[in-house]
Amino acid sequence: QKEVEQDPGPLSVPEGAIVSLNCTYSNSAFQYFMWYRQYSRKGPELLMYTYSSGNKEDGRFTAQVDKSSKYISLFIRDSQPSDSATYLCAMTPEGAQKLVFGQGTRLTINP
Amino acid sequence: GAGVSQSPSNKVTEKGKDVELRCDPISGHTALYWYRQSLGQGLEFLIYFQGNSAPDKSGLPSDRFSAERTGGSVSTLTIQRTQQEDSAVYLCASSSDRGHTEAFFGQGTRLTVV
Repeated sequence: QKEVEQDPGPLSVPEGAIVSLNCTYSNSAFQYFMWYRQYSRKGPELLMYTYSSGNKEDGRFTAQVDKSSKYISLFIRDSQPSDSATYLCAMTPEGAQKLVFGQGTRLTINP
Repeated sequence: GAGVSQSPSNKVTEKGKDVELRCDPISGHTALYWYRQSLGQGLEFLIYFQGNSAPDKSGLPSDRFSAERTGGSVSTLTIQRTQQEDSAVYLCASSSDRGHTEAFFGQGTRLTVV
């Protein structure tokens, strides 16, 4: 079993929809949780990070962490075709340096 | 520079040959990471450098893989006697002392072993 599980999709939604992306994990030591966006043939780009449990909002993006359930989510409001990309969750324990990534979810927003 | 730069962007090599992949981190960043991304997979950690400390090599898949970082800046990932299963995108990232929560990735080197 992988430490971090993420549904690879693909996920296709109409423009303007609310998108929900999720990851589950097994290591209770994880404390830092990140979401990266990766366009085709590009490197990952950090979208948001959260420390421990709670919510964080940045514009149209909201990240949620539920440590009791070992479950994290990324919500995208008013989705745009430019949001079409692969979204990767990543996490790491306190004091550690290597990120453990999910497989990534391929998202397409249809105009 | 403005961002993390990797070269070459693409590399096709014959099985059994050695390859070198280069990473130029963002100026002033003390931490440097190498990851590997196979088709349809997430990123797999390979190695981590921080300042003058000994690197964390725990992710290197075999002794055919090695990496060095000269002068605390440029890093080279070397794969000896390449195999077809080494085909992947090799990604480099760097971060400041604030660590991995703000790591910036390069565009990657797409390696194909034929």
